[in-house]
Amino acid sequence: AQRVTQPEKLLSVFKGAPVELKCNYSYSGSPELFWYVQYSRQRLQLLLRHISRESIKGFTADLNKGETSFHLKKPFAQEEDSAMYYCALFSGSARQLTFGSGTQLTVLP
Amino acid sequence: EAEVAQSPRYKITEKSQAVAFWCDPISGHATLYWYRQILGQGPELLVQFQDESVVDDSQLPKDRFSAERLKGVDSTLKIQPAELGDSAMYLCASSLPGLGPTDTQYFGPGTRLTVL
Repeated sequence: AQRVTQPEKLLSVFKGAPVELKCNYSYSGSPELFWYVQYSRQRLQLLLRHISRESIKGFTADLNKGETSFHLKKPFAQEEDSAMYYCALFSGSARQLTFGSGTQLTVLP
Repeated sequence: EAEVAQSPRYKITEKSQAVAFWCDPISGHATLYWYRQILGQGPELLVQFQDESVVDDSQLPKDRFSAERLKGVDSTLKIQPAELGDSAMYLCASSLPGLGPTDTQYFGPGTRLTVL
């Protein structure tokens, strides 16, 4: 069965510092991975997906199949990045998203 | 900009009572999802519809939960009877055309259920 682990429930960094939110997955097939974000009082929304290999709001994430990881990174954190971040795995066989438990990022001024 | 609508936003009920949640997906979105999110956890899929058909309800506690999407548009999730452990956020999401990893899921604001 597929599983997504986000080891940090809370993460605080100072503005301008680099940030990395960790995500590890367990899946026997070829993974499709996503990062979703929920800003305060807003809906859950897609941030980025690994197949697009894109940078959104300065965030990037690289799929490392050897380490089964999909860590989210940003070189210089901004206060507006403060939010809850969820890593999610799409499993083709079940055709559904499996979410991690989330990491609350706080960027301090 | 079109959004997924959910109502009510908040619901407080006593255990053993029946509750119902409503979701209106973005127009034209064929796939509709209901998730449950317990405090401190990520969303967990309860049921997935493609048009009016159930694609996956393997995680839906069918002894007390039911979901329908009769005309393939809006959907209702019902709990009867509610139990204390059902207290959670219930999220609805939709996507088009569905069933693919590249299809973005758009989430509603959720319904916060508290069972007393």
